[in-house]
Amino acid sequence: DAGITQSPRYKITETGRQVTLMCHQTWSHSYMFWYRQDLGHGLRLIYYSAAADITDKGEVPDGYVVSRSKTENFPLTLESATRSQTSVYFCASSESAPNANSPLHFGNGTRLTVT
Amino acid sequence: GEDVEQSLFLSVREGDSSVINCTYTDSSSTYLYWYKQEPGAGLQLLTYIFSNMDMKQDQRLTVLLNKKDKHLSLRIADTQTGDSAIYFCAESMRGSTLGRLYFGRGTQLTVWP
Repeated sequence: DAGITQSPRYKITETGRQVTLMCHQTWSHSYMFWYRQDLGHGLRLIYYSAAADITDKGEVPDGYVVSRSKTENFPLTLESATRSQTSVYFCASSESAPNANSPLHFGNGTRLTVT
Repeated sequence: GEDVEQSLFLSVREGDSSVINCTYTDSSSTYLYWYKQEPGAGLQLLTYIFSNMDMKQDQRLTVLLNKKDKHLSLRIADTQTGDSAIYFCAESMRGSTLGRLYFGRGTQLTVWP
């Protein structure tokens, strides 16, 4: 099916482990984003990418790494997971820089628990 | 100028109108958005308003923008149980090459039958 898909939907990992969250979109959108959603904070931008091989930090990048070797994929890696990274992670994409004519399209999220 | 504030909860009866409020701090915002998040799902764009408009109506949805007070509201007429969700206000800034969005914390709307 066309759209933006995230995997896994749920993940439990231990402190110190590396974990990668996957995001795949079929629209060939240029822009892709990773947000985390936490109670009391709403959505906060972790990293974004304007095109393949171009990535940049958002508000809360520490502890995360991203790559964008192909337009359709934008994996997010937690190099050494901490309990504070327990959250719901959303991937999003947009055709160009987000505006009313190029809205963000969100995946269904990955719920990550770090024990 | 990235603070977007919303009340956290709103409960209404089915058939009544709902009004969800949002305040923002950056007067250079270009677009203001309302997103809806249903349980277990990502956010979906509901509607938006350009900063030079005061009002926008789209079927049961009315967006009002008061630029002087930096206040945005979303009115849902004839609210239905299917409207129960979290509603996020978001703004994008003029001059940002990314068109980056800043989200509020979301308002949980509960509609009682």
